[in-house]
Amino acid sequence: EAQVTQNPRYLITVTGKKLTVTCSQNMNHEYMSWYRQDPGLGLRQIYYSMNVEVTDKGDVPEGYKVSRKEKRNFPLILESPSPNQTSLYFCASRGPLLVDTQYFGPGTRLTVL
Amino acid sequence: ILNVEQSPQSLHVQEGDSTNFTCSFPSSNFYALHWYRWETAKSPKALFVMTLNGDEKKKGRISATLNTKEGYSYLYIKGSQPEDSATYLCALNTNAGKSTFGDGTTLTVKP
Repeated sequence: EAQVTQNPRYLITVTGKKLTVTCSQNMNHEYMSWYRQDPGLGLRQIYYSMNVEVTDKGDVPEGYKVSRKEKRNFPLILESPSPNQTSLYFCASRGPLLVDTQYFGPGTRLTVL
Repeated sequence: ILNVEQSPQSLHVQEGDSTNFTCSFPSSNFYALHWYRWETAKSPKALFVMTLNGDEKKKGRISATLNTKEGYSYLYIKGSQPEDSATYLCALNTNAGKSTFGDGTTLTVKP
């Protein structure tokens, strides 16, 4: 089954404790992206990757890091989480074209205390 | 940061009503507009992708139009059903990778 998976699905952590949210897709998609969603707001893009070893900032990259060492994986790293990073996070992937359908993972709900 | 606006923020209709909502965006540097449907406790699912001025897309009772010159897209739902209740998001792709979403329109259809 074609899918995007994220782990963990739920995480409660404390300020300053480094964490990684994994994202994997099995559709051989070139493009992958991370978004956060906060109440009353739409999805805001954190980082995206056009292909292996190619990453770029979205609209809200502060406090986050990413890497794309393999085509299928695109982990999101929070080096020193803060309470304002409490949010719902979605990973997504699509083919190389702007018109390609974007597929979303199930979401990761992160709480930083 | 591009400004993509959706209106109204929320909508409550009766079963059987037809409804429509709007996505507005800067008309310059347009590449592609995507509509998504997002149900509670699930992840967003693609509905349509629109690229050309005058584009019209249809899937069952849901259709969308695009006007790139004036910078808007309309989503129409004919004969709303309770299962249409969801948040509808539009997203503007303006270059190879950036994707800017509106805040969504939350539709509630009462039986």
